[in-house]
Amino acid sequence: LAKTTQPISMDSYEGQEVNITCSHNNIATNDYITWYQQFPSQGPRFIIQGYKTKVTNEVASLFIPADRKSSTLSLPRVSLSDTAVYYCLVGNNTDKLIFGTGTRLQVFP
Amino acid sequence: DVKVTQSSRYLVKRTGEKVFLECVQDMDHENMFWYRQDPGLGLRLIYFSYDVKMKEKGDIPEGYSVSREKKERFSLILESASTNQTSMYLCAITEGPTGELFFGEGSRLTVL
Repeated sequence: LAKTTQPISMDSYEGQEVNITCSHNNIATNDYITWYQQFPSQGPRFIIQGYKTKVTNEVASLFIPADRKSSTLSLPRVSLSDTAVYYCLVGNNTDKLIFGTGTRLQVFP
Repeated sequence: DVKVTQSSRYLVKRTGEKVFLECVQDMDHENMFWYRQDPGLGLRLIYFSYDVKMKEKGDIPEGYSVSREKKERFSLILESASTNQTSMYLCAITEGPTGELFFGEGSRLTVL
């Protein structure tokens, strides 16, 4: 069973900030939280990873509360090219890594 | 840069044929994974391997086997292909201790 739960889909408009929340109530102490983006007919691509608090890179921010039972991927000022499926994954290098259903983000002009 | 290469982007096979899907990585990574992806079902783990000759079943191993004779190569085998194995197959490796996955381009298999 996947360790994560996400909304099935979200809609947004260009220029808006999008926040996608992932629930992972049974996260283990040595698990990391990683988000991936997937376009049709391609493999998922790494976006951002964190363990606790906040992480920011050039494309996104990841917010993780102290209890680590959830996380929020924040995409600032989305564009049409951000239309994709976004997956949250928890685990580490010793795990068999199971994907949840992902969140299908549709960005409208 | 991590490179994961899948041997065939598109394959068409007939029911009952034996099918080999090959995945090669170039950075001496220990963990390798095979997923399949179908519309509405997301990515499902078939098998993974954490070292040469070592393998573990994922969520949907039925109808598949794997081979890892060398560290850089992880093969997915369909002993007798069936139409319900028509799918996109994705190979991945993990980089570093945090389990970050890198995927190949995928192999789209059609079984007629």
